[in-house]
Amino acid sequence: QKEVEQNSGPLSVPEGAIASLNCTYSDRVSQSFFWYRQYSGKSPELIMSIYSNGDKEDGRFTAQLNKASQYVSLLIRDSQPSDSATYLCAVNKKSGYNKLIFGAGTRLAVHP
Amino acid sequence: SQTIHQWPATLVQPVGSPLSLECTVEGTSNPNLYWYRQAAGRGLQLLFYSVGIGQISSEVPQNLSASRPQDRQFILSSKKLLLSDSGFYLCAWSPPRTGGLYEQYFGPGTRLTVT
Repeated sequence: QKEVEQNSGPLSVPEGAIASLNCTYSDRVSQSFFWYRQYSGKSPELIMSIYSNGDKEDGRFTAQLNKASQYVSLLIRDSQPSDSATYLCAVNKKSGYNKLIFGAGTRLAVHP
Repeated sequence: SQTIHQWPATLVQPVGSPLSLECTVEGTSNPNLYWYRQAAGRGLQLLFYSVGIGQISSEVPQNLSASRPQDRQFILSSKKLLLSDSGFYLCAWSPPRTGGLYEQYFGPGTRLTVT
């Protein structure tokens, strides 16, 4: 079992729809969870972080965390073609240093 | 604000040649520093991390090495490149906090092609 799992996609949604990206993790003691956006040929960019169960909203983005189910998701409302990218889920691995475990990413395609 | 730089942006090197990639961070002190590699269409592989000058930990055995000669400088090296070393090399930093936030911020990356 991979430590952080994501559906590779592509997830195709029409412009204006809600895109839902999902991520599961195996380490029950993980404390911090992050979503990165990576455009083709570019480096990952941090877009959301979440540490407590529930929802966290930032503009069109909402991160949802359920520690009991070891599940974290990212919702993108009013999806735009500019949201087309690969979204990486990252989970803090509790250890003696700050280490993030990354999922392989979900490719999102928003079509007009 | 903090800024992370990497150079060169792209590099084409023959098999067996040496490698040196550099990463510098501005606007922060004593950051944690990381080197990742991303092969084409693949996820991020952590190669090295450093919590301070001269302190390097390796995550994956390979023909690469890393050094941190200054607080905000991180260097990735190889004496002899292999074809399998091709990829997108990313440097990242995180604040030296304990507990709570552990976000990492990435540099622009170096795209290495070994021919």
